[in-house]
Amino acid sequence: NAGVTQTPKFQVLKTGQSMTLQCAQDMNHEYMSWYRQDPGMGLRLIHYSVGAGITDQGEVPNGYNVSRSTTEDFPLRLLSAAPSQTSVYFCASSKPRQGGNSPLHFGNGTRLTVT
Amino acid sequence: RKEVEQDPGPFNVPEGATVAFNCTYSNSASQSFFWYRQDCRKEPKLLMSVYSSGNEDGRFTAQLNRASQYISLLIRDSKLSDSATYLCVVTMTGTYKYIFGTGTRLKVLA
Repeated sequence: NAGVTQTPKFQVLKTGQSMTLQCAQDMNHEYMSWYRQDPGMGLRLIHYSVGAGITDQGEVPNGYNVSRSTTEDFPLRLLSAAPSQTSVYFCASSKPRQGGNSPLHFGNGTRLTVT
Repeated sequence: RKEVEQDPGPFNVPEGATVAFNCTYSNSASQSFFWYRQDCRKEPKLLMSVYSSGNEDGRFTAQLNRASQYISLLIRDSKLSDSATYLCVVTMTGTYKYIFGTGTRLKVLA
């Protein structure tokens, strides 16, 4: 059972470069999301999706784009990387349930450095 | 006031000790509650869900106090391997909004 798979694990970019962080889940979860985690700041929501074709902004969406063409995949695009985007990025998914939300399942993370 | 607040710690406890963390939340519409464990530079992993009646999983006990709007995590007989950051997560009724605390750091000392 793969769960949530993120690639790459590590990435170094130069300022201004673009790239896509990949996230895939095999649990048929409707909800998928991207977080970034910086020292002392906790997890901050970038973008999320409640199903194929539906995306919405989280707390810190600037500089990032997402799309959800399939239930399984939710890539995160950095349009023009900036040093402020140096962070650890986590993808997480969950399946809705009656009476409340089910817990999030996280990928292993992508450690991104922008120089 | 933050929506979800945790004491950042660190809580330094000897092996075998009992330690408890609280997590307060501000929105009374909060519906589902979870505790996650996060090791340094790794992804958060679900430790346990928190149910209204309280629940236990081995050495770990979680409780919910809706009147005072907090959840708690009790760890008995602490092990060195329990050293980690513990995150509480609160979700809102009718939404997919997951709100994370910034975590409480636990160090279990030999």
